[in-house]
Amino acid sequence: DAGITQSPRHKVTETGTPVTLRCHQTENHRYMYWYRQDPGHGLRLIHYSYGVKDTDKGEVSDGYSVSRSKTEDFLLTLESATSSQTSVYFCAISVQPGDEQFFGPGTRLTVL
Amino acid sequence: KNQVEQSPQSLIILEGKNCTLQCNYTVSPFSNLRWYKQDTGRGPVSLTIMTFSENTKSNGRYTATLDADTKQSSLHITASQLSDSASYICVVSAGDYKLSFGAGTTVTVRA
Repeated sequence: DAGITQSPRHKVTETGTPVTLRCHQTENHRYMYWYRQDPGHGLRLIHYSYGVKDTDKGEVSDGYSVSRSKTEDFLLTLESATSSQTSVYFCAISVQPGDEQFFGPGTRLTVL
Repeated sequence: KNQVEQSPQSLIILEGKNCTLQCNYTVSPFSNLRWYKQDTGRGPVSLTIMTFSENTKSNGRYTATLDADTKQSSLHITASQLSDSASYICVVSAGDYKLSFGAGTTVTVRA
């Protein structure tokens, strides 16, 4: 998975609790992305980062925040998880926008 | 709105047979189109990339075609193997960070 790890790989939580997912890369790529994948939908971009402390919203950013304090780490936080955020979350990296994106193994999140 | 439509949603084929997956897109501007393979429980992995001027691109038993005029692409799998069982995702890039993903075609290869 191109030097990308995600943690945890699986998580079950309750509605209203905060959740943080971590993406770690060893490729030193500038761009990092968080996606969610749901049945019947293509991957949808939540947030992306174009450098340390530089982030921007994607198409489904409501209810999510991100932080990038180091090149190698990109965190996704659900401040107060809801059942609609039950999904599989993928982190991806790329050298430049428009380049091939390399995906991590995913985190399966279940919000009860 | 940029959209990527894939068909069929799923298909089942016997080992050794061929199959073709379709992708129609309305993304503009167009930079490139990739086909990704996603095995169950794993992240997508790029199979091929095609730019505007390319009509055909092969990667082993996988052959992708692109018709930029009609905005259609196909992925042909030749002599399928059990390991080809996966979801295949068509992804179109406008050249910036934002990609448009199809919902995928799930291929099941049976012995």
